[in-house]
Amino acid sequence: DIQMTQSPSSLSASLGDRVIVTCRASQSIINYVNWYQQKPGKAPKLLIYGSANLQSGVPSRFSGSGSGTDFTLIISGLQPEDFATYYCQQSYSTPRTFGQGTTVEIK
Amino acid sequence: EAQLEESGGGLVKPGGSLRLSCTGSGFTFSDAWMSWVRLVPGKGLEWVGRIKTKSEGGTADYAAPVKGRFTILRDDSKDTVSLQMHSLKSEDTAVYYCTATGLEAPFDPWGRGTQVTVSS
Repeated sequence: DIQMTQSPSSLSASLGDRVIVTCRASQSIINYVNWYQQKPGKAPKLLIYGSANLQSGVPSRFSGSGSGTDFTLIISGLQPEDFATYYCQQSYSTPRTFGQGTTVEIK
Repeated sequence: EAQLEESGGGLVKPGGSLRLSCTGSGFTFSDAWMSWVRLVPGKGLEWVGRIKTKSEGGTADYAAPVKGRFTILRDDSKDTVSLQMHSLKSEDTAVYYCTATGLEAPFDPWGRGTQVTVSS
């Protein structure tokens, strides 16, 4: 199974900050990584697919990059509605696996 | 707009069984691989399993913790997918989500989730 290791597990940030979340795969997954946002009591929401492709309707302050084993989610200019938990996930092989999540909290 | 809606969650005793259902609308259900993902308290999102389209064989794969206890079935005539759960354990307690996917594809859309609690 491919392990997805996210860091940090949590972070505190202020409105307007640039936030970076990283995800490392235990083997090359080319660019088959997706990022989701989840708020308490809500379903996960797809933000980025294929490492760098912005899902329709997602604000452009979200961006993704990386290939092989190392991937990054960047939020440029944190907004109040961005405080949530973020997960990376690989769609390269079965079983599909998720990172452990990164919770973005208000500083 | 593509939508999914789960039903069937509840409280069940250890060793018991439960069947979850998920109905899709707004997309061609028969063309989608359907997956179940759970949010485990204190642990995060965990993939449970998925079933391919009938044209691709309709086969299902499962995560190791549920293999042999859970079964995923689909009924494309009703745009539904089900998750039959047997021999439930306390560690199966989670919110279960139904979601659509495909080969090398992300999970989208997602249902709102249904709570399953395994406790005596």
